[in-house]
Amino acid sequence: NAGVTQTPKFRVLKTGQSMTLLCAQDMNHEYMYWYRQDPGMGLRLIHYSVGEGTTAKGEVPDGYNVSRLKKQNFLLGLESAAPSQTSVYFCASGRLSYEQYFGPGTRLTVT
Amino acid sequence: LAKTTQPISMDSYEGQEVNITCSHNNIATNDYITWYQQFPSQGPRFIIQGYKTKVTNEVASLFIPADRKSSTLSLPRVSLSDTAVYYCLVEGGGNKLTFGTGTQLKVEL
Repeated sequence: NAGVTQTPKFRVLKTGQSMTLLCAQDMNHEYMYWYRQDPGMGLRLIHYSVGEGTTAKGEVPDGYNVSRLKKQNFLLGLESAAPSQTSVYFCASGRLSYEQYFGPGTRLTVT
Repeated sequence: LAKTTQPISMDSYEGQEVNITCSHNNIATNDYITWYQQFPSQGPRFIIQGYKTKVTNEVASLFIPADRKSSTLSLPRVSLSDTAVYYCLVEGGGNKLTFGTGTQLKVEL
């Protein structure tokens, strides 16, 4: 099992560019989550999904969109990147909300 | 969501037992208490979860008093590799977890 994988690992964007972060899990988990973590801070929930075809807003959803077309994949999109979105992005999945398995993270820099 | 309060940082030495206490005065009846560990440049890792009294696994113990307004994560005989950030969370049977800023544990020789 690969667990939770994230693509890409690093990315540099210019302000206004768009991109999609891919999260994939092979554990057949229902729940999937996208978080961002800024330096010295805890994780903040962006969006989450409780099953294929469902999505919901988290704590900091503005500027992001998500899709869960397949159970194993959860995509996070930035339509027009801003410097404030420079962060490390973590994806997680789980059968139960309190026991989440995290991916290795994507380091995104927006210049 | 119940808010948690935990120390910003703690220092310890190898071989010592470390206890990190978390306050959650507004915990609801259906809330569980969960602890995660995060190493630099990695995602958090689930350590332990409990509802009341004591829970123990191969990594840690979790002590929860009867009023459930606080909890203590106990790490026996820590080593350098236990240096990490530890997060205390309460989760109410819903779909979301709220991570605070955590406790930075530093273990020295």
